[in-house]
Amino acid sequence: DADVTQTPRNRITKTGKRIMLECSQTKGHDRMYWYRQDPGLGLRLIYYSFDVKDINKGEISDGYSVSRQAQAKFSLSLESAIPNQTALYFCATSDLGTGGRDGYTFGSGTRLTVV
Amino acid sequence: DAKTTQPPSMDCAEGRAANLPCNHSTISGNEYVYWYRQIHSQGPQYIIHGLKNNETNEMASLIITEDRKSSTLILPHATLRDTAVYYCLRWDAGNMLTFGGGTRLMVKP
Repeated sequence: DADVTQTPRNRITKTGKRIMLECSQTKGHDRMYWYRQDPGLGLRLIYYSFDVKDINKGEISDGYSVSRQAQAKFSLSLESAIPNQTALYFCATSDLGTGGRDGYTFGSGTRLTVV
Repeated sequence: DAKTTQPPSMDCAEGRAANLPCNHSTISGNEYVYWYRQIHSQGPQYIIHGLKNNETNEMASLIITEDRKSSTLILPHATLRDTAVYYCLRWDAGNMLTFGGGTRLMVKP
């Protein structure tokens, strides 16, 4: 089983719909992140969480919300999807800053298309 | 602000060493340099990291200049499967890893 699992892998949704992307991890890391990647570009941070009670906005949080349901679970929601949110979404975990040096472990990504 | 500068693209012949440079001239003394790669649209994969000493693992070597203002990732014998985007990042305990545009490495037969 993958260390970081994202569901769904692919999703097509209509403008205005609410959609949730889910992420679960077996690394035991406290820190979790959601990134967005647009074609040909690097990754941009949407939200991050350092523990279950901690939620922080990243570079591009507008139009998104998150929930950290447990140490192992971090979900990303688009309350009302719009076409320019079409992108590849990655969840990641890390133990950086908590004494570890493992860096980030990424999931396989969710390809979201908003039509 | 990605805080690192990398060439947008490079080519390398299969079997030869691929040397990918990164400039991080404003790096502070407690910031690590991390390298990741992303093959096609997969999740980025950790390669190696270092603080000030050169590092080597089964994937690559990392050479950091003495003044720590730049580093080079070395893939000693590049294969076609090494074709990917390579990201150089800085990290300290108070920051996130911030991804820039990376270097698109094309390994050619």
